[in-house]
Parts: sequence; structure tokens; C-alpha cells
Amino acid sequence: EPEVTQTPSHQVTQMGQEVILRCVPISNHLYFYWYRQILGQKVEFLVSFYNNEISEKSEIFDDQFSVERPDGSNFTLKIRSTKLEDSAMYFCASSVDNQPQHFGDGTRLSIL
Amino acid sequence: AQSVTQPDIHITVSEGASLELRCNYSYGATPYLFWYVQSPGQGLQLLLKYFSGDTLVQGIKGFEAEFKRSQSSFNLRKPSVHWSDAAEYFCAVGAKEYGNKLVFGAGTILRVKS
Repeated sequence: EPEVTQTPSHQVTQMGQEVILRCVPISNHLYFYWYRQILGQKVEFLVSFYNNEISEKSEIFDDQFSVERPDGSNFTLKIRSTKLEDSAMYFCASSVDNQPQHFGDGTRLSIL
Repeated sequence: AQSVTQPDIHITVSEGASLELRCNYSYGATPYLFWYVQSPGQGLQLLLKYFSGDTLVQGIKGFEAEFKRSQSSFNLRKPSVHWSDAAEYFCAVGAKEYGNKLVFGAGTILRVKS
């Protein structure tokens, strides 16, 4: 069964550094999403992406965040200048229109 | 605002016993409803979904859920729990009117005792 893959599984970064989290969505999916889960808290929506542009973003997704689909397969989340509070598990998801979103295994981001 | 409530933070059941995990939602549109399961350190696996039609939906691993519009609920059930079901369970709600983004509940941690 096709799946969403995320790399790396764990990223450790110094505060203030840029980080890029990578995702390969399921190949025929058109909608892409990033969510995050701070330890012990809810999974929160960050951003959705369709047709090469952001379709919706949450208030968490400020100017420090950006997303990109640089080629036909990858979908990336960049945090420009990381803060301690960015430490979380970041999940990528993809879907076909309004069908269920399929999630990757996540990237655990640790900011030191 | 959209919200999802899972009233039980932890539930412990004996292996072989039945299980019901509660989920209530508040949504201004016709919702899509999902249950996901997360084992420690793992991603979110879809158990089942409700879009329309029959309000009792079957999922993987022997789970089912019933959508009750009048109660704004989508409770997850399993008639006989196995030790491998121990995990965290998340109810999630989405709607096309809200761009299909999912709003998650806080999760319920299921412990299974032998």
C-alpha cells in the first residue's frame, strides 16, 4: 500500500538555525498538509497546499514557516529561524480531494 | 469554532473486554469524521472514516464507529480488545467547507491489562 514518507525521522537543531523537513506524499495525491504535535498535546493543523499554492494556514504558520513543492514528488516545510517552542513532532499528510488524509510517521524536531 | 472533544484521557480495559472511546464534535458544517490510532513513536494510522450514508462504519482491526448526528458524537467501539490495541486514539473532524483541514481531539490513551 502506498504511503507518505518523511525524512529525517529525528532532527536536532540549534535555536535560530533553519531547518527543512521533507515529505514524499502518495504519488496520485493532490492535497498536501503539515500538522504538528507538541509533546503531550493535540495534533494541530499548520498548512494545506494545493495546486502549487497554500490553500489555508493556521495562526501557528507565521512568517518563519514556508512550504514548497520543489519537484513532482517532494513537499517540504521550512522553519527559517527555529525557536525552542518549535520542538514537536511534525506530520506530513496527503489526500485526494476530500478523501481521508494519509499521514507519514513524522519527524521529531528537537531545538536546543 | 470547530472543536473535537475526547472526554477520556486514559482508559484501561482487560484483554477480551469490550471498548468504547467517546468523541463529540462541534462543527458548523457537515463533517467528515475519522478515527486515527498512534502507537508510541509512530505516525497516525487511519482506522475508519465517515463521510455519508450508513451511520455505522467498519474499520480495520475489528473497530467500528457510529455517527449520531443528534448527539454530535462519533464513538469508537471494539467488541473484544487485544493487547496489541494499546495505543493512543484520536478522533478528527474535517469538512470541505473548511478546506478539509482536520481538527483533532486531545486523544485517548488505551491501556490493555492481561
